[in-house]
Amino acid sequence: AQSVTQLDSQVPVFEEAPVELRCNYSSSVSVYLFWYVQYPNQGLQLLLKYLSGSTLVESINGFEAEFNKSQTSFHLRKPSVHISDTAEYFCAVSPLRGAQKLVFGQGTRLTINP
Amino acid sequence: DTAVSQTPKYLVTQMGNDKSIKCEQNLGHDTMYWYKQDSKKFLKIMFSYNNKELIINETVPNRFSPKSPDKAHLNLHINSLELGDSAVYFCASSQERSDRREQYFGPGTRLTVT
Repeated sequence: AQSVTQLDSQVPVFEEAPVELRCNYSSSVSVYLFWYVQYPNQGLQLLLKYLSGSTLVESINGFEAEFNKSQTSFHLRKPSVHISDTAEYFCAVSPLRGAQKLVFGQGTRLTINP
Repeated sequence: DTAVSQTPKYLVTQMGNDKSIKCEQNLGHDTMYWYKQDSKKFLKIMFSYNNKELIINETVPNRFSPKSPDKAHLNLHINSLELGDSAVYFCASSQERSDRREQYFGPGTRLTVT
């Protein structure tokens, strides 16, 4: 079984400040890792994923996440946030083998203040 | 063109009624899912279908019955609706035998039971 813990339910930051959204997971098997973003009143969009290879993965809009196997973490970072980054962010894992299913964390509400 | 679509977007109904939510994907994927997002934004998988075959059924009450007429459609029928069924229901799809492993989500259906 898998579980995901997002350590912060809400993160308020000022525009152009750096941000880190924390994610830890627990699993008895190897997993793939994902960050999804949900803008207000919308569905979920994939932000970035770690499947294999380099442990640092990047998105097209400046976010990055680093897979740390020893700490079972997959924290999301951005060096300078914009108002448009205001959204709910979900960390998720999926087992490498067997039926694909996403196990989500509780979500982190990122609020960007001007 | 919308990749994963759901109808209706909003559904308000009374306790005891029966209702259906429809989902269609035009991505050519072979696996479809239903997730439930509760009032605290927590997302949990309910069902998944691969090539019209039920793969995952996560201890969902029997009142919920998914139906997949073909690979591109996965509908969710709910009998005898209860207050606790109020939530946002998301449909998603993916390609099982793929090294991409990402799921694409629909816009969600907000169900309110009064």
